[in-house]
Amino acid sequence: DVQMTQSPSSLSASVGDRVTITCQASQDITYYLNWYQQKPGKAPKLLIYDASNLDTGVPSRFSGSGSGTDFTFTISSLQPEDIATYYCQQYDNLPPGTFGQGTKVEIK
Amino acid sequence: EVQLVESGGGLVQPGGSLRLSCAASGFTFSNYAMSWVRQAPGKGLECVSGISGSGGTTNYAASVKGRFTISRDNSKNTLYLQMNSLRAEDTAVYYCAKDTVLQGVIPVIFDYWGQGTLVTVSS
Repeated sequence: DVQMTQSPSSLSASVGDRVTITCQASQDITYYLNWYQQKPGKAPKLLIYDASNLDTGVPSRFSGSGSGTDFTFTISSLQPEDIATYYCQQYDNLPPGTFGQGTKVEIK
Repeated sequence: EVQLVESGGGLVQPGGSLRLSCAASGFTFSNYAMSWVRQAPGKGLECVSGISGSGGTTNYAASVKGRFTISRDNSKNTLYLQMNSLRAEDTAVYYCAKDTVLQGVIPVIFDYWGQGTLVTVSS
Protein backbone atom coordinates (compact mmCIF):
# COMPACT_ATOMS: atom_id res chain seq x y z
CA ASP A 1 0.00 0.00 0.00
CA VAL A 2 1.07 3.57 -0.62
CA GLN A 3 1.85 5.42 2.60
CA MET A 4 1.17 9.15 2.80
CA THR A 5 3.23 11.22 5.20
CA GLN A 6 1.84 14.66 5.97
CA SER A 7 3.72 17.38 7.80
CA PRO A 8 3.47 19.12 10.07
CA SER A 9 0.84 17.33 12.16
CA SER A 10 -0.25 20.70 13.52
CA LEU A 11 0.60 24.34 13.10
CA SER A 12 -0.33 27.70 14.54
CA ALA A 13 -0.27 30.82 12.39
CA SER A 14 -1.61 34.36 12.41
CA VAL A 15 -4.42 35.69 10.27
CA GLY A 16 -2.93 36.75 6.95
CA ASP A 17 0.03 34.37 7.15
CA ARG A 18 1.01 32.02 4.36
CA VAL A 19 0.54 28.42 5.44
CA THR A 20 2.17 25.43 3.77
CA ILE A 21 1.49 21.73 4.33
CA THR A 22 3.43 18.95 2.64
CA CYS A 23 2.44 15.42 1.75
CA GLN A 24 4.95 12.78 0.70
CA ALA A 25 3.98 9.50 -0.93
CA SER A 26 5.97 6.30 -0.40
CA GLN A 27 6.01 5.76 -4.17
CA ASP A 28 5.30 7.69 -7.35
CA ILE A 29 1.61 8.57 -7.56
CA THR A 30 1.98 10.95 -10.54
CA TYR A 31 -0.62 13.66 -9.86
CA TYR A 32 -3.32 11.48 -8.24
CA LEU A 33 -3.53 13.50 -5.07
CA ASN A 34 -6.46 15.35 -3.48
CA TRP A 35 -6.73 17.74 -0.53
CA TYR A 36 -9.68 17.94 1.87
CA GLN A 37 -10.63 20.31 4.66
CA GLN A 38 -12.46 19.04 7.74
CA LYS A 39 -13.89 21.41 10.30
CA PRO A 40 -14.67 20.08 13.81
CA GLY A 41 -17.77 17.91 13.85
CA LYS A 42 -18.26 18.19 10.11
CA ALA A 43 -17.69 16.00 7.08
CA PRO A 44 -14.61 16.57 4.96
CA LYS A 45 -14.83 18.95 2.01
CA LEU A 46 -12.94 18.58 -1.24
CA LEU A 47 -10.67 21.56 -1.92
CA ILE A 48 -8.17 20.40 -4.55
CA TYR A 49 -8.11 17.41 -6.88
CA ASP A 50 -5.42 16.03 -9.14
CA ALA A 51 -2.76 17.86 -7.13
CA SER A 52 -3.49 21.37 -8.34
CA ASN A 53 -7.09 21.79 -9.51
CA LEU A 54 -9.34 23.89 -7.32
CA ASP A 55 -12.80 22.42 -6.80
CA THR A 56 -15.78 24.58 -7.72
CA GLY A 57 -16.42 27.43 -5.31
CA VAL A 58 -13.19 27.01 -3.34
CA PRO A 59 -11.50 30.35 -2.60
CA SER A 60 -8.42 31.12 -4.65
CA ARG A 61 -6.25 31.53 -1.53
CA PHE A 62 -6.06 27.73 -1.50
CA SER A 63 -3.65 26.06 -3.92
CA GLY A 64 -1.84 22.81 -4.49
CA SER A 65 1.22 21.71 -6.38
CA GLY A 66 3.54 18.79 -6.89
CA SER A 67 3.82 15.48 -8.68
CA GLY A 68 5.46 12.13 -8.22
CA THR A 69 6.05 11.75 -4.49
CA ASP A 70 6.12 15.31 -3.15
CA PHE A 71 3.12 17.58 -2.89
CA THR A 72 2.38 20.94 -1.29
CA PHE A 73 -0.84 22.57 -0.13
CA THR A 74 -0.82 26.32 0.49
CA ILE A 75 -3.15 28.86 2.03
CA SER A 76 -1.83 32.18 0.75
CA SER A 77 -3.46 34.31 3.45
CA LEU A 78 -4.88 32.45 6.43
CA GLN A 79 -8.42 33.44 7.41
CA PRO A 80 -10.26 32.64 10.67
CA GLU A 81 -12.68 30.36 8.80
CA ASP A 82 -9.74 28.22 7.62
CA ILE A 83 -9.34 26.68 11.07
CA ALA A 84 -9.65 22.98 10.33
CA THR A 85 -7.74 19.78 9.78
CA TYR A 86 -6.44 19.23 6.27
CA TYR A 87 -5.90 15.80 4.70
CA CYS A 88 -4.17 14.68 1.55
CA GLN A 89 -5.45 11.56 -0.22
CA GLN A 90 -3.81 9.51 -2.95
CA TYR A 91 -5.73 7.45 -5.48
CA ASP A 92 -3.00 6.10 -7.71
CA ASN A 93 -2.76 2.84 -5.78
CA LEU A 94 -6.16 1.26 -5.13
CA PRO A 95 -7.79 -0.04 -3.15
CA PRO A 96 -7.98 1.89 -1.00
CA GLY A 97 -7.29 5.56 -1.59
CA THR A 98 -5.16 6.29 1.43
CA PHE A 99 -5.24 9.52 3.38
CA GLY A 100 -2.44 11.31 5.15
CA GLN A 101 -2.69 11.56 8.92
CA GLY A 102 -3.92 15.16 8.79
CA THR A 103 -2.63 18.63 9.67
CA LYS A 104 -4.49 20.65 12.26
CA VAL A 105 -4.36 24.38 11.53
CA GLU A 106 -4.97 26.82 14.38
CA ILE A 107 -4.89 30.59 14.74
CA LYS A 108 -2.06 32.04 16.80
CA GLU B 1 -28.73 20.11 -4.47
CA VAL B 2 -26.76 16.94 -3.76
CA GLN B 3 -27.66 15.34 -0.45
CA LEU B 4 -26.32 12.20 1.20
CA VAL B 5 -27.99 11.05 4.40
CA GLU B 6 -26.54 8.12 6.34
CA SER B 7 -28.47 6.02 8.84
CA GLY B 8 -28.19 2.74 10.68
CA GLY B 9 -25.38 3.44 13.11
CA GLY B 10 -25.55 2.57 16.77
CA LEU B 11 -24.12 0.48 19.57
CA VAL B 12 -23.35 -3.15 18.78
CA GLN B 13 -21.48 -5.87 20.65
CA PRO B 14 -18.22 -7.32 19.36
CA GLY B 15 -18.99 -10.02 16.82
CA GLY B 16 -22.31 -8.42 15.95
CA SER B 17 -23.67 -7.04 12.70
CA LEU B 18 -25.02 -3.74 11.46
CA ARG B 19 -26.23 -2.41 8.11
CA LEU B 20 -25.64 1.20 7.19
CA SER B 21 -27.67 3.03 4.56
CA CYS B 22 -26.98 6.20 2.62
CA ALA B 23 -29.92 7.86 0.87
CA ALA B 24 -28.83 9.99 -2.08
CA SER B 25 -30.65 12.78 -3.88
CA GLY B 26 -29.95 15.69 -6.19
CA PHE B 27 -27.99 13.75 -8.82
CA THR B 28 -28.33 10.70 -11.08
CA PHE B 29 -27.23 8.14 -8.52
CA SER B 30 -26.50 5.29 -10.94
CA ASN B 31 -23.99 7.44 -12.85
CA TYR B 32 -21.51 7.73 -9.99
CA ALA B 33 -19.31 5.44 -7.98
CA MET B 34 -19.74 5.71 -4.22
CA SER B 35 -17.61 5.01 -1.18
CA TRP B 36 -17.75 4.49 2.54
CA VAL B 37 -15.06 6.36 4.47
CA ARG B 38 -14.69 6.05 8.25
CA GLN B 39 -13.07 8.07 10.99
CA ALA B 40 -12.31 6.60 14.39
CA PRO B 41 -12.74 9.01 17.32
CA GLY B 42 -9.97 11.62 17.23
CA LYS B 43 -8.27 9.89 14.29
CA GLY B 44 -7.84 10.36 10.57
CA LEU B 45 -9.81 9.18 7.55
CA GLU B 46 -9.83 5.66 6.12
CA CYS B 47 -11.43 4.50 2.87
CA VAL B 48 -13.36 1.38 3.76
CA SER B 49 -15.06 0.35 0.53
CA GLY B 50 -16.08 1.55 -2.90
CA ILE B 51 -18.58 0.52 -5.57
CA SER B 52 -19.11 1.42 -9.20
CA GLY B 53 -22.29 3.08 -10.45
CA SER B 54 -23.69 -0.19 -11.76
CA GLY B 55 -22.69 -2.08 -8.64
CA GLY B 56 -20.64 -4.51 -10.67
CA THR B 57 -17.25 -3.50 -9.27
CA THR B 58 -16.43 -3.28 -5.58
CA ASN B 59 -13.29 -2.86 -3.51
CA TYR B 60 -12.43 -3.08 0.17
CA ALA B 61 -9.70 -2.05 2.55
CA ALA B 62 -7.70 -5.00 3.87
CA SER B 63 -8.95 -4.22 7.37
CA VAL B 64 -12.58 -5.02 6.46
CA LYS B 65 -12.28 -7.47 3.56
CA GLY B 66 -14.35 -10.58 4.18
CA ARG B 67 -16.39 -8.91 6.93
CA PHE B 68 -18.01 -5.92 5.19
CA THR B 69 -20.11 -5.91 2.01
CA ILE B 70 -20.93 -2.81 0.01
CA SER B 71 -23.97 -2.73 -2.25
CA ARG B 72 -26.37 -0.29 -3.84
CA ASP B 73 -29.96 -0.18 -5.03
CA ASN B 74 -30.10 2.28 -7.89
CA SER B 75 -33.90 2.08 -8.02
CA LYS B 76 -33.96 3.43 -4.47
CA ASN B 77 -30.95 5.76 -4.79
CA THR B 78 -29.45 4.09 -1.75
CA LEU B 79 -25.99 2.85 -0.82
CA TYR B 80 -25.49 0.16 1.80
CA LEU B 81 -22.70 -1.23 3.97
CA GLN B 82 -23.34 -4.58 5.62
CA MET B 83 -20.90 -4.97 8.52
CA ASN B 84 -20.43 -8.40 10.10
CA SER B 85 -18.06 -9.74 12.75
CA LEU B 86 -17.64 -6.26 14.13
CA ARG B 87 -14.60 -5.45 16.26
CA ALA B 88 -13.82 -2.66 18.71
CA GLU B 89 -11.49 -1.15 16.13
CA ASP B 90 -14.42 -0.69 13.74
CA THR B 91 -15.78 2.01 16.07
CA ALA B 92 -15.96 5.16 13.97
CA VAL B 93 -18.11 7.69 12.22
CA TYR B 94 -18.96 6.25 8.83
CA TYR B 95 -19.42 8.66 5.93
CA CYS B 96 -20.77 7.90 2.51
CA ALA B 97 -19.11 9.88 -0.24
CA LYS B 98 -19.85 10.47 -3.91
CA ASP B 99 -17.20 10.26 -6.59
CA THR B 100 -16.81 13.30 -8.81
CA VAL B 101 -16.13 11.36 -12.00
CA LEU B 102 -19.10 10.62 -14.26
CA GLN B 103 -19.27 6.88 -15.01
CA GLY B 104 -16.15 6.23 -12.96
CA VAL B 105 -15.65 2.60 -11.98
CA ILE B 106 -13.74 3.10 -8.75
CA PRO B 107 -14.43 6.13 -6.55
CA VAL B 108 -11.32 8.27 -6.36
CA ILE B 109 -12.26 11.92 -5.75
CA PHE B 110 -14.99 12.57 -3.19
CA ASP B 111 -16.89 15.76 -3.98
CA TYR B 112 -19.90 15.27 -1.69
CA TRP B 113 -20.10 13.68 1.75
CA GLY B 114 -22.91 12.81 4.11
CA GLN B 115 -22.99 13.97 7.71
CA GLY B 116 -21.87 10.58 8.98
CA THR B 117 -23.34 7.92 11.26
CA LEU B 118 -21.59 6.71 14.41
CA VAL B 119 -20.93 3.02 14.91
CA THR B 120 -19.79 1.96 18.37
CA VAL B 121 -18.61 -1.59 18.94
CA SER B 122 -18.48 -2.36 22.64
CA SER B 123 -19.72 -4.84 25.17
